[in-house]
Amino acid sequence: GQQVMQIPQYQHVQEGEDFTTYCNSSTTLSNIQWYKQRPGGHPVFLIQLVKSGEVKKQKRLTFQFGEAKKNSSLHITATQTTDVGTYFCAGTLVNDYKLSFGAGTTVTVRA
Amino acid sequence: EAGVTQFPSHSVIEKGQTVTLRCDPISGHDNLYWYRRVMGKEIKFLLHFVKESKQDESGMPNNRFLAERTGGTYSTLKVQPAELEDSGVYFCASSPGRFIYGYTFGSGTRLTVV
Repeated sequence: GQQVMQIPQYQHVQEGEDFTTYCNSSTTLSNIQWYKQRPGGHPVFLIQLVKSGEVKKQKRLTFQFGEAKKNSSLHITATQTTDVGTYFCAGTLVNDYKLSFGAGTTVTVRA
Repeated sequence: EAGVTQFPSHSVIEKGQTVTLRCDPISGHDNLYWYRRVMGKEIKFLLHFVKESKQDESGMPNNRFLAERTGGTYSTLKVQPAELEDSGVYFCASSPGRFIYGYTFGSGTRLTVV
């Protein structure tokens, strides 16, 4: 079945630094979504990417969808303590509708 | 608008007992999904309703799990009898359409089977 892999599993970041988390699929995706789950909370939808090579920005967050629509990345600049949480990517296959989630990247921030 | 509501938020039951989880999606959202996250692993798909119909239940672990969505409104997920490996956080999510909408997740039910 489809597998969505995320790396790294854990990311310890110094406040103010940048980091990137990566998402890879074994098959071509129709779209990819990113979610953030704060400690003790539930996944909250951040963004969706649909087009090959698409890049979207939300303030300090930059999301990218690969040209082959098999990978994606989330880059956060100038990390803040509010960025703490687990970031999940989730993709759907062409002509499918259910999301397949990666295992998430759990981010901690050193002040 | 009200979000996706799940209850109970926590449930601790003994192995062999029955537990029923409930999800109230956002009003008007035809699509309702159940997912489960076990001990820091990925969020795994369980099943998908479109209105009252089960569209896909390929992720249901076994026949101890039964989901219903009578009338196409709220949904229940019953585990009977519960086993230790059923422990985890059960999330419900809803969306207004297929393919291109982000899901709105509920706060989840943390199930612990002892």
